[in-house]
Amino acid sequence: DTAVSQTPKYLVTQMGNDKSIKCEQNLGHDTMYWYKQDSKKFLKIMFSYNNKELIINETVPNRFSPKSPDKAHLNLHINSLELGDSAVYFCASSLAGVFSGANVLTFGAGSRLTVL
Amino acid sequence: AQSVTQLGSHVSVSEGALVLLRCNYSSSVPPYLFWYVQYPNQGLQLLLKYTSAATLVKGINGFEAEFKKSETSFHLTKPSAHMSDAAEYFCAVVPGGSNFGNEKLTFGTGTRLTIIP
Repeated sequence: DTAVSQTPKYLVTQMGNDKSIKCEQNLGHDTMYWYKQDSKKFLKIMFSYNNKELIINETVPNRFSPKSPDKAHLNLHINSLELGDSAVYFCASSLAGVFSGANVLTFGAGSRLTVL
Repeated sequence: AQSVTQLGSHVSVSEGALVLLRCNYSSSVPPYLFWYVQYPNQGLQLLLKYTSAATLVKGINGFEAEFKKSETSFHLTKPSAHMSDAAEYFCAVVPGGSNFGNEKLTFGTGTRLTIIP
Protein backbone atom coordinates (compact mmCIF):
# COMPACT_ATOMS: atom_id res chain seq x y z
CA ASP A 1 0.00 0.00 0.00
CA THR A 2 3.02 2.28 0.30
CA ALA A 3 2.61 5.10 -2.22
CA VAL A 4 6.29 5.96 -2.71
CA SER A 5 8.71 3.31 -1.54
CA GLN A 6 12.48 3.58 -1.37
CA THR A 7 15.05 0.89 -0.78
CA PRO A 8 17.22 0.56 1.13
CA LYS A 9 16.13 2.62 4.12
CA TYR A 10 19.67 2.63 5.52
CA LEU A 11 22.92 2.30 3.64
CA VAL A 12 26.38 2.35 5.20
CA THR A 13 29.35 2.09 2.88
CA GLN A 14 32.99 3.00 2.42
CA MET A 15 34.36 5.93 0.45
CA GLY A 16 34.98 5.10 -3.17
CA ASN A 17 32.22 2.51 -3.43
CA ASP A 18 29.31 2.64 -5.88
CA LYS A 19 25.77 2.31 -4.57
CA SER A 20 22.20 2.59 -5.78
CA ILE A 21 18.94 3.63 -4.20
CA LYS A 22 15.70 2.48 -5.76
CA CYS A 23 12.36 4.24 -5.80
CA GLU A 24 8.95 3.09 -6.92
CA GLN A 25 5.58 4.80 -6.84
CA ASN A 26 2.19 3.16 -7.28
CA LEU A 27 0.19 6.38 -7.54
CA GLY A 28 0.15 6.59 -11.32
CA HIS A 29 2.09 9.86 -11.13
CA ASP A 30 3.93 11.23 -14.14
CA THR A 31 6.81 13.02 -12.45
CA MET A 32 9.38 11.74 -10.00
CA TYR A 33 12.10 13.54 -8.07
CA TRP A 34 15.18 13.04 -5.98
CA TYR A 35 15.87 15.39 -3.10
CA LYS A 36 18.88 15.45 -0.79
CA GLN A 37 18.48 16.40 2.88
CA ASP A 38 21.71 17.24 4.66
CA SER A 39 22.54 16.99 8.36
CA LYS A 40 20.99 20.41 8.98
CA LYS A 41 17.70 19.26 7.44
CA PHE A 42 18.18 21.42 4.35
CA LEU A 43 16.31 19.93 1.39
CA LYS A 44 17.54 20.47 -2.13
CA ILE A 45 16.23 19.09 -5.39
CA MET A 46 18.63 17.00 -7.40
CA PHE A 47 16.67 15.65 -10.34
CA SER A 48 13.18 15.34 -11.74
CA TYR A 49 11.85 13.06 -14.44
CA ASN A 50 8.59 13.22 -16.31
CA ASN A 51 7.54 10.04 -18.10
CA LYS A 52 11.13 8.81 -18.13
CA GLU A 53 12.46 12.10 -19.49
CA LEU A 54 14.94 14.16 -17.46
CA ILE A 55 13.40 17.55 -16.69
CA ILE A 56 15.44 19.07 -13.88
CA ASN A 57 19.11 18.42 -13.35
CA GLU A 58 20.48 20.65 -10.64
CA THR A 59 24.15 21.27 -10.09
CA VAL A 60 24.90 17.77 -8.97
CA PRO A 61 28.24 16.01 -9.49
CA ASN A 62 28.10 13.65 -12.44
CA ARG A 63 28.92 10.84 -10.03
CA PHE A 64 25.16 10.91 -9.44
CA SER A 65 23.19 9.32 -12.24
CA PRO A 66 19.43 8.92 -12.14
CA LYS A 67 17.74 6.26 -14.20
CA SER A 68 14.06 5.92 -14.96
CA PRO A 69 13.17 2.62 -16.65
CA ASP A 70 9.49 3.57 -16.60
CA LYS A 71 7.42 6.33 -15.11
CA ALA A 72 6.82 4.37 -11.91
CA HIS A 73 10.50 3.98 -11.10
CA LEU A 74 13.36 6.38 -10.56
CA ASN A 75 16.62 4.98 -9.30
CA LEU A 76 19.68 6.89 -8.15
CA HIS A 77 23.14 5.52 -8.73
CA ILE A 78 26.13 7.09 -7.05
CA ASN A 79 29.70 6.35 -8.14
CA SER A 80 32.87 6.85 -6.13
CA LEU A 81 31.09 7.81 -2.94
CA GLU A 82 32.55 10.66 -0.87
CA LEU A 83 32.10 11.63 2.75
CA GLY A 84 30.01 14.64 1.72
CA ASP A 85 27.47 12.37 0.08
CA SER A 86 26.26 11.30 3.52
CA ALA A 87 22.68 12.51 3.74
CA VAL A 88 19.09 11.38 3.58
CA TYR A 89 17.86 11.01 0.01
CA PHE A 90 14.16 11.40 -0.60
CA CYS A 91 12.28 10.23 -3.61
CA ALA A 92 9.02 11.97 -4.44
CA SER A 93 6.38 11.96 -7.13
CA SER A 94 3.63 14.22 -8.42
CA LEU A 95 0.76 13.86 -10.85
CA ALA A 96 2.28 16.24 -13.33
CA GLY A 97 4.70 19.08 -13.04
CA VAL A 98 4.53 20.95 -9.76
CA PHE A 99 3.42 23.96 -11.80
CA SER A 100 -0.01 22.41 -12.08
CA GLY A 101 -1.15 24.27 -8.99
CA ALA A 102 -3.05 21.56 -7.29
CA ASN A 103 -0.37 18.96 -7.69
CA VAL A 104 1.78 18.29 -4.69
CA LEU A 105 4.68 16.04 -4.01
CA THR A 106 4.26 12.71 -2.27
CA PHE A 107 7.48 11.73 -0.54
CA GLY A 108 9.00 8.42 0.29
CA ALA A 109 10.31 7.72 3.79
CA GLY A 110 13.89 8.47 2.81
CA SER A 111 17.13 6.52 2.44
CA ARG A 112 19.84 7.41 4.91
CA LEU A 113 23.26 7.07 3.30
CA THR A 114 26.33 7.07 5.53
CA VAL A 115 29.74 7.13 3.89
CA LEU A 116 32.65 6.14 6.13
CA ALA B 1 16.09 33.19 -7.48
CA GLN B 2 12.86 32.42 -5.72
CA SER B 3 13.26 31.48 -2.09
CA VAL B 4 11.56 31.20 1.25
CA THR B 5 12.94 32.22 4.63
CA GLN B 6 11.78 30.57 7.80
CA LEU B 7 12.42 32.64 10.90
CA GLY B 8 13.39 30.54 13.86
CA SER B 9 14.98 27.14 13.41
CA HIS B 10 13.46 26.03 16.73
CA VAL B 11 10.10 26.97 18.21
CA SER B 12 8.78 25.67 21.54
CA VAL B 13 5.19 26.09 22.67
CA SER B 14 3.19 24.67 25.53
CA GLU B 15 0.52 22.12 24.85
CA GLY B 16 -2.72 23.99 24.15
CA ALA B 17 -0.95 27.22 23.18
CA LEU B 18 -0.97 28.96 19.81
CA VAL B 19 1.49 27.70 17.23
CA LEU B 20 2.97 30.32 14.88
CA LEU B 21 5.66 29.34 12.38
CA ARG B 22 6.93 32.11 10.15
CA CYS B 23 7.66 31.99 6.45
CA ASN B 24 8.50 34.84 4.10
CA TYR B 25 8.97 34.45 0.39
CA SER B 26 10.78 36.40 -2.27
CA SER B 27 9.08 36.47 -5.62
CA SER B 28 8.39 39.07 -8.27
CA VAL B 29 5.10 37.38 -9.15
CA PRO B 30 2.71 35.60 -6.78
CA PRO B 31 4.12 32.14 -6.21
CA TYR B 32 2.62 28.86 -5.20
CA LEU B 33 3.35 28.24 -1.52
CA PHE B 34 3.29 25.08 0.54
CA TRP B 35 3.81 23.89 4.08
CA TYR B 36 5.12 20.38 4.62
CA VAL B 37 5.64 18.51 7.88
CA GLN B 38 8.28 15.89 8.58
CA TYR B 39 7.83 13.59 11.56
CA PRO B 40 10.94 11.87 12.92
CA ASN B 41 12.42 9.33 10.51
CA GLN B 42 9.68 9.89 7.97
CA GLY B 43 9.26 11.60 4.64
CA LEU B 44 7.54 14.94 4.15
CA GLN B 45 3.78 15.23 4.18
CA LEU B 46 1.76 18.12 2.76
CA LEU B 47 -0.02 20.24 5.35
CA LEU B 48 -1.53 22.83 3.05
CA LYS B 49 -0.94 24.84 -0.11
CA TYR B 50 -1.67 28.25 -1.59
CA THR B 51 -2.35 28.36 -5.31
CA SER B 52 -3.77 31.88 -5.82
CA ALA B 53 -7.30 31.06 -4.72
CA ALA B 54 -8.36 31.95 -1.16
CA THR B 55 -5.67 33.74 0.82
CA LEU B 56 -6.56 31.87 4.00
CA VAL B 57 -5.78 28.23 3.49
CA LYS B 58 -6.86 25.45 5.80
CA GLY B 59 -4.89 22.26 6.00
CA ILE B 60 -4.80 19.00 7.84
CA ASN B 61 -4.52 18.55 11.61
CA GLY B 62 -6.05 21.96 12.35
CA PHE B 63 -3.30 24.00 10.69
CA GLU B 64 -3.94 27.03 8.53
CA ALA B 65 -1.87 29.68 6.78
CA GLU B 66 -2.61 33.10 5.38
CA PHE B 67 -1.02 34.45 2.21
CA LYS B 68 -0.24 38.15 2.67
CA LYS B 69 1.12 39.70 -0.48
CA SER B 70 1.86 43.05 1.18
CA GLU B 71 4.07 41.32 3.72
CA THR B 72 5.32 38.55 1.37
CA SER B 73 4.44 36.13 4.14
CA PHE B 74 2.78 32.76 4.49
CA HIS B 75 2.87 32.04 8.22
CA LEU B 76 1.53 28.76 9.57
CA THR B 77 -0.73 28.75 12.63
CA LYS B 78 -2.68 26.38 14.82
CA PRO B 79 -4.84 27.66 17.67
CA SER B 80 -4.01 24.91 20.13
CA ALA B 81 -0.87 22.81 20.04
CA HIS B 82 -1.00 19.08 20.59
CA MET B 83 1.85 16.83 21.59
CA SER B 84 1.55 15.04 18.24
CA ASP B 85 2.41 18.29 16.43
CA ALA B 86 6.07 17.97 17.40
CA ALA B 87 7.92 17.72 14.09
CA GLU B 88 9.98 19.63 11.55
CA TYR B 89 8.00 22.06 9.40
CA PHE B 90 9.08 23.24 5.98
CA CYS B 91 7.79 26.13 3.95
CA ALA B 92 8.25 25.71 0.20
CA VAL B 93 7.73 27.77 -2.95
CA VAL B 94 7.23 27.24 -6.64
CA PRO B 95 7.78 30.46 -8.58
CA GLY B 96 4.73 32.00 -10.14
CA GLY B 97 4.67 31.81 -13.90
CA SER B 98 6.79 28.70 -14.00
CA ASN B 99 6.74 26.84 -17.27
CA PHE B 100 6.14 23.14 -17.17
CA GLY B 101 9.43 21.37 -17.04
CA ASN B 102 11.24 24.12 -15.23
CA GLU B 103 9.32 24.43 -12.00
CA LYS B 104 11.19 23.63 -8.83
CA LEU B 105 9.85 23.22 -5.34
CA THR B 106 12.35 25.13 -3.20
CA PHE B 107 12.27 24.49 0.53
CA GLY B 108 13.08 26.72 3.44
CA THR B 109 15.54 25.60 6.08
CA GLY B 110 12.84 24.19 8.33
CA THR B 111 11.54 24.93 11.83
CA ARG B 112 11.62 22.32 14.52
CA LEU B 113 8.49 22.55 16.67
CA THR B 114 8.71 21.25 20.21
CA ILE B 115 5.61 20.92 22.37
CA ILE B 116 6.05 21.35 26.11
CA PRO B 117 3.67 19.23 28.21
